[in-house]
Amino acid sequence: EDKVVQSPLSLVVHEGDTVTLNCSYEVTNFRSLLWYKQEKKAPTFLFMLTSSGIEKKSGRLSSILDKKELFSILNITATQTGDSAIYLCAVFNGDTGNQFYFGTGTSLTVIP
Amino acid sequence: KAGVTQTPRYLIKTRGQQVTLSCSPISGHRSVSWYQQTPGQGLQFLFEYFSETQRNKGNFPGRFSGRQFSNSRSEMNVSTLELGDSALYLCASSFGLRQETQYFGPGTRLLVL
Repeated sequence: EDKVVQSPLSLVVHEGDTVTLNCSYEVTNFRSLLWYKQEKKAPTFLFMLTSSGIEKKSGRLSSILDKKELFSILNITATQTGDSAIYLCAVFNGDTGNQFYFGTGTSLTVIP
Repeated sequence: KAGVTQTPRYLIKTRGQQVTLSCSPISGHRSVSWYQQTPGQGLQFLFEYFSETQRNKGNFPGRFSGRQFSNSRSEMNVSTLELGDSALYLCASSFGLRQETQYFGPGTRLLVL
């Protein structure tokens, strides 16, 4: 059965800390892995990863994919209160259409 | 370009009733996917429509159905509502099939009493 597992489920850190969020997957016909940030609204796109070992970076956020070990990490450095959100990992199976498998998310709370 | 819109934004129903949710994709997008989001299960894929045809379906009972119109707008229907159907229902649109870049709407929050 295809699945995506994220850990930890929740995390509370202080401003300035660095956090690492994990996403492991078992999905047939893997095509890509995506990270989203969800505040009190629709998820917004962060990164799409298709190749192992190539880091994607956007400001304080970065992500990398390991297709051999079937996982990805999302790093956030120098966290700010605005980073508080649920971070979702999704794996895209492009075999039969637009089939996305989402993890349950990691809830990050950054306290001042 | 306007984003994905969903109506209504909030809905309260009672068990046994049925509900219809609407999603208008970004102009030019032909693929619409529907998701159910609950605290315990996260986002779960319901189904996807492209060119008025259902292309993919997740593991949900037949009470959940949908359709897509020629203008790419999509509706989702849930019949015989159960308490466990209380959730945030998100739709996402993308330009075509096998397109990883999808844009989410704000969601419809359904509460079943």
